[in-house]
Amino acid sequence: AQKITQTQPGMFVQEKEAVTLDCTYDTSDPSYGLFWYKQPSSGEMIFLIYQGSYDQQNATEGRYSLNFQKARKSANLVISASQLGDSAMYFCAMRESNNNDMRFGAGTRLTVKP
Amino acid sequence: NAGVTQTPKFQVLKTGQSMTLQCAQDMNHEYMSWYRQDPGMGLRLIHYSVGAGITDQGEVPNGYNVSRSTTEDFPLRLLSAAPSQTSVYFCASRTLAGANEQFFGPGTRLTVL
Repeated sequence: AQKITQTQPGMFVQEKEAVTLDCTYDTSDPSYGLFWYKQPSSGEMIFLIYQGSYDQQNATEGRYSLNFQKARKSANLVISASQLGDSAMYFCAMRESNNNDMRFGAGTRLTVKP
Repeated sequence: NAGVTQTPKFQVLKTGQSMTLQCAQDMNHEYMSWYRQDPGMGLRLIHYSVGAGITDQGEVPNGYNVSRSTTEDFPLRLLSAAPSQTSVYFCASRTLAGANEQFFGPGTRLTVL
């Protein structure tokens, strides 16, 4: 069963604007981790940010922040002050504590317009 | 520190041929895994290992074999390649302690004709 859902196949944002990439997940495990990865056109997977299910505060890493709404099972990625180099595929992923498997969403292709 | 390395970067096979995709990491990570990435589907786990001598199946294991004789290496074998195995393959590793970052290799683009 699909555990990670990214409903936006593609998103556009104007340079210097903020953008939110949506991610919802499904789990019955109370302990889990949520991850966001960036995949530029060169193909490598770049880790961006992590949120633990028991973390009280939303994770932040520079221009990236994770809007974690546990009751709604959503973990949206917010990119502030978009840059042209942010154009890439973005993947949301989850790993449950009792499972070594990291499940990925289908991804969102973000295009930053000058 | 090379991180996670994969060879080859590109490979073209004919249906029925066999080959091994190599993966190595120099971070002394216990956990290693193989994913395949197909258009519109994100990454799917093929096989994983939590240590030398221990392997297990992921979401899409059919058609692939793995072994883990050392902590550093985790090769993926295709015994009889099929066009459905055309994909980009990623190897990844992480520590077992904690739940944070998983490190990915650069990927191998495989085409099966």
